[in-house]
Amino acid sequence: QKEVEQNSGPLSVPEGAIASLNCTYSDRVSQSFFWYRQYSGKSPELIMSIYSNGDKEDGRFTAQLNKASQYVSLLIRDSQPSDSATYLCAVARSNDYKLSFGAGTTVTVRA
Amino acid sequence: EAGVAQSPRYKIIEKRQSVAFWCNPISGHATLYWYQQILGQGPKLLIQFQNNGVVDDSQLPKDRFSAERLKGVDSTLKIQPAKLEDSAVYLCASSLLGLAGAYNEQFFGPGTRLTVL
Repeated sequence: QKEVEQNSGPLSVPEGAIASLNCTYSDRVSQSFFWYRQYSGKSPELIMSIYSNGDKEDGRFTAQLNKASQYVSLLIRDSQPSDSATYLCAVARSNDYKLSFGAGTTVTVRA
Repeated sequence: EAGVAQSPRYKIIEKRQSVAFWCNPISGHATLYWYQQILGQGPKLLIQFQNNGVVDDSQLPKDRFSAERLKGVDSTLKIQPAKLEDSAVYLCASSLLGLAGAYNEQFFGPGTRLTVL
């Protein structure tokens, strides 16, 4: 079982729609959760971090965490063509805070 | 605030040659990470430094890879000799807090794209 699993994608959404990205993790005691955006040929850029159950909103992005279900998601509202990228879910273990990354979900926003 | 700096940005070598990558973390960041990212995959941690000490190098192929972080700031990652399967992007990241910090956000440099022929 992989430590962090994401929707394989690609995910194609029309401009203005909501893009929904899902991530599950295997280590029950994980403490910190991150979403990175990676444009083609570029390095990962941190866009959201979440540490407690519930929702966290930042602009058009909302991260949702459910530790009981070992599930974290990212919603992108009012999707724009500039949101077209690969989104990486990363999870930090509780003992050493080492990040484990999922393989990423590629999102394409159609104009 | 300047970000994580890496050089070179691109490198093409032949198998069995050696190569070195350099990283300068964000000023004041105690923890430095080297990752390998193969096309289509998420980054995989190779080595983690806390100041100038190694915290985790369990995923580093020590027969060919080495890394150091002298004086707790800059770091170099070396591959000798390189294999075809080492073709990847090598990413350096840094974070402000050490192991005691719960909110250990990591920030990445631009990466070095290595092609081994």
